[in-house]
Formats: sequence, C-alpha cells, structure tokens
Amino acid sequence: GESVGLHLPTLSVQEGDNSIINCAYSNSASDYFIWYKQESGKGPQFIIDIRSNMDKRQGQRVTVLLNKTVKHLSLQIAATQPGDSAVYFCAENAGGTSYGKLTFGQGTILTVHP
Amino acid sequence: EAQVTQNPRYLITVTGKKLTVTCSQNMNHEYMSWYRQDPGLGLRQIYYSMNVEVTDKGDVPEGYKVSRKEKRNFPLILESPSPNQTSLYFCASSWARDHTGELFFGEGSRLTVL
Repeated sequence: GESVGLHLPTLSVQEGDNSIINCAYSNSASDYFIWYKQESGKGPQFIIDIRSNMDKRQGQRVTVLLNKTVKHLSLQIAATQPGDSAVYFCAENAGGTSYGKLTFGQGTILTVHP
Repeated sequence: EAQVTQNPRYLITVTGKKLTVTCSQNMNHEYMSWYRQDPGLGLRQIYYSMNVEVTDKGDVPEGYKVSRKEKRNFPLILESPSPNQTSLYFCASSWARDHTGELFFGEGSRLTVL
C-alpha cells in the first residue's frame, strides 16, 4: 500500500545550527503535505503545510520543500533551539476519494544540544 | 481556550470489557479523527468523520467503532478490547472538511488491555 516514510530516524544538532528533516512519500496522488511536532507526553502540533502545486513554503524559522519529481519532502528549521527537540512527523493527504485520510510517517527524533 | 479534550487520559482494562474513550472539541470543527500511536509505527488513522452522522474507516479500523451524533463529540468505542489494542490514542479535529487545514490534537489517552 501507499506509505510515507523517513530517511533518518534520529537527528542530533548543536544549538544555532540549521536542521533538515527528510521524508519520502510513495503516493503520487497525494496533494497536501503537513509537518507536525510532537513533544514528549503531548499530542502532535501543526508546524507547516504545503500543497502539491507549490514547491516551497516558509513559516517562522521553518521552511518546507516539496520535490514531486522524486516524491520527497523536507522540513528545514533555522537556528535550531533546544525547544525544538521533539519528534517530527510528516503526513500526506491523498485527496480525491481519500481526502479524509491522513497518512503519517514514522517520525524523526530531533535532539538539540546546547 | 480552544481545545480537544479526551477522557480518560489513562486506562488499564481487561480483555473483553467494553470501553469508550470520549473526545470533545470546542472549535466548531467539522472534521474529527482518531489515531493510534505505537512505537516505530507512527500515527495510524482509525476512523474519521467529515461531519455529523458521517464516518469513514481509516487505515486500522478493525476492533473499533465510532459515532458522530453531534458536531463536538466523537467517541471511540472498543466493544471487546484485546491486548493488541494497547496503545496511545489521539483524537484530532480540523476546520476543513477535506482536511487541508491545521489539525488540532488532544493530549492523548494511554490504554492498556491486559
């Protein structure tokens, strides 16, 4: 079946560095992608989203890049802070008749060292 | 305060004893959904609802039921719980029927089935 996955399960960076978290997706029909952050003991929180008709979207300190040719999604966090330490999930929405279904990746653990 | 509220937050039960995990949102969202989170598997969608009286299966609906009799509530029912349903459960809601919008998650309900 279709799935969303991650290249790296863990990522360690120094405070102030830029972080890049990657995600591969396999459903070419997916038209909407989202990144979530989950801190320990909490529910996931929305970070940023992007539609398939875009290849880049920027938020506050975060940028999401979408490469439909290779079905790759990435989240860039600028000037990473200790408060950014969390598990990051990418998710995709297939649209069409499946537009209510959201498929999550397995997650990447980001650890930021002071 | 805008929020998604789940109850109970923690529950230990025995095989076969019916239980319900309640979910309520105060944001007048049309879309609601249930996920389970297991180590190494990320978040998997159980059921979702686009609107009152409309529910659909997600990726792992077996062993679960839901209902959407009113907009704010979306309870998850385990008619005959089994140990493989031991998991962390999240309810979420969104303003957008097609899910292309920020998804608000509850704090999670940790269920253990003995």
